[in-house]
Amino acid sequence: NAGVTQTPKFQVLKTGQSMTLQCAQDMNHEYMSWYRQDPGMGLRLIHYSVGAGITDQGEVPNGYNVSRSTTEDFPLRLLSAAPSQTSVYFCASSYSPPRLAGIEGTQYFGPGTRLLVL
Amino acid sequence: KQEVTQIPAALSVPEGENLVLNCSFTDSAIYNLQWFRQDPGKGLTSLLLIQSSQREQTSGRLNASLDKSSGRSTLYIAASQPGDSATYLCAVIFGYGQNFVFGPGTRLSVLP
Repeated sequence: NAGVTQTPKFQVLKTGQSMTLQCAQDMNHEYMSWYRQDPGMGLRLIHYSVGAGITDQGEVPNGYNVSRSTTEDFPLRLLSAAPSQTSVYFCASSYSPPRLAGIEGTQYFGPGTRLLVL
Repeated sequence: KQEVTQIPAALSVPEGENLVLNCSFTDSAIYNLQWFRQDPGKGLTSLLLIQSSQREQTSGRLNASLDKSSGRSTLYIAASQPGDSATYLCAVIFGYGQNFVFGPGTRLSVLP
């Protein structure tokens, strides 16, 4: 049981380049989400998904796209990277949305991807 | 805007001390509140979850309290150890929201 895995661990991009941050979980979780973490700020929700084929926007979705074709994978795409997207990105998963308290709503976080956009 | 703040941003204490970390939120109509721990270069780990109807939760040396009327939660760590060194984040689900609003965290250093 690998939990939540993210690749790559670190990436440097030039402004305007595109890339995909990968996230996978092997716990059969329906709910998956992407956050970004910036210095002095809490984690901010980018996009989330309540199951395969269903995605929705979080607090800071601009500049990011997601899709959920399988239960296991939830990739995050940057179509045209900007310096403002320099951040640490975390993927999380759980059986149910965080609102559902207790074990079902407990989120499991990946180790993060550190992204630098020059 | 619904916000979560944590003060101080960083805290350094000698081993063995009891300490309190603070979390404040702008709207008392919360659904639940959760404390997380983040180790350097790693993801978050859930510590304690408090429902809006509860006043406190305990797990080992950790005790989290909730006072909705004042918009505050505290995380009490008893007999701190160097292994407790990490960043502690508070996260709140407000009202009918589905997702967490995170505070910026308090970086704790426990010195041997």
